[in-house]
Order: sequence, then C-alpha cells, then structure tokens
Amino acid sequence: AQTVTQSQPEMSVQEAETVTLSCTYDTSESDYYLFWYKQPPSRQMILVIRQEAYKQQNATENRFSVNFQKAAKSFSLKISDSQLGDAAMYFCAYSNYQLIWGAGTKLIIKP
Amino acid sequence: GAGVSQSPSNKVTEKGKDVELRCDPISGHTALYWYRQRLGQGLEFLIYFQGNSAPDKSGLPSDRFSAERTGESVSTLTIQRTQQEDSAVYLCASSFIRTEAFFGQGTRLTVV
Repeated sequence: AQTVTQSQPEMSVQEAETVTLSCTYDTSESDYYLFWYKQPPSRQMILVIRQEAYKQQNATENRFSVNFQKAAKSFSLKISDSQLGDAAMYFCAYSNYQLIWGAGTKLIIKP
Repeated sequence: GAGVSQSPSNKVTEKGKDVELRCDPISGHTALYWYRQRLGQGLEFLIYFQGNSAPDKSGLPSDRFSAERTGESVSTLTIQRTQQEDSAVYLCASSFIRTEAFFGQGTRLTVV
C-alpha cells in the first residue's frame, strides 16, 4: 500500500529566510502525482504546487519549489523569502488513483 | 458552482441525534472524498467515491457513519446517534481522477 511520511511535525523559520519541508512516500507505481497543500488557520485547504512523476524537472510556483527525487521517493518543499502569511499546516499528498496524505507539518514564521 | 460547497458551515447537535452533512462537488469531477479533521490534526480519511465504482468505505470509523453519492453529483455524510467524539471539522473534496483535489470550506460539527 502507498504511504506518505512527513517526519517534521513542526518547523520554524525567520521571516525572509528559506525553509524546506520534507516528504517521503512509498509506492511501486511509476506514474503518479505529488502535491503540497497549505492549510492556514482559516482551515481552507489550498493547493501550493504539484509534480507529475514522469516529469524530471522540479515544479516551481513563485517562492515555492520542490526537490523531487523519484528514485529516493522524496518530495520536499522549499519556501524562499518566507512571509508571515506562509504560516500554516502543510500537507504532502500522493495520487495514483486515490489521494494518500501525510500527517502534516506546522510551519511557524518568526517576525 | 465554481468550487466545492459544503453545508452547513457549522452544526451544533445534541448527543444521540442524527446529522446530515452535504457536499456539492465541482461539476464534472468524478472523484469525491470525505475527511474528518480534529483540531490541530491531519486529515482522517473517511470515504472515497469514484464515478460509478463501489465506494472505498475503509475509513468510516463505525457503522454510525454512512455516505451516499448519486452519480457525479451531491454527496451526503450521515452520522447517526452522534457522540461527543464525533465533534470535528468534516471536509469534502472533489477531483478528476488522479489529479489534485479541491476542498470545500468544511462543516464544523459540535456535539453537546
């Protein structure tokens, strides 16, 4: 069965600095999608970035980028120039047919 | 509608009563998920619908929980004989197969 692991329950970063959130997954499939979602205190789940496994190029969305290592089954999220509005729970997810979620990482931004 | 809509936004019910939560997915989305989320916790999978396939009910915590979906339209999650431990936010999400899911704003259920 597929699993997704986020090993960091909580991370903190100084405003304007860079932070990396870790995610590993386990699958025997070769074609799948990976996602990072953000859930601020408003509880609305927001898609941050997605990666298709067949694409070798790492996805980037403004200050958010991923380091996708397919062989290592690793999918980390890098947030550059951290802002106070980035404070939230971040969830990593895998999808081949059905979404599988990590436990989440709480990101704290220090002003 | 433009997004996933859930109703009600908040529900307070007495212990032992039945409640019904509603989810209107994005039109055309074949997949629909229900999750439960307790304060400060992650997503607890409840049930997954995909088109006309048999739903994956493996996450339902007890037989007090049930859900229905007709085709690719509205879904309802029913909790019978509610207990205090059922208090949580219930999130619904929809998607095309294999792609990113879009979430509703959730229903906050409080059992008193």
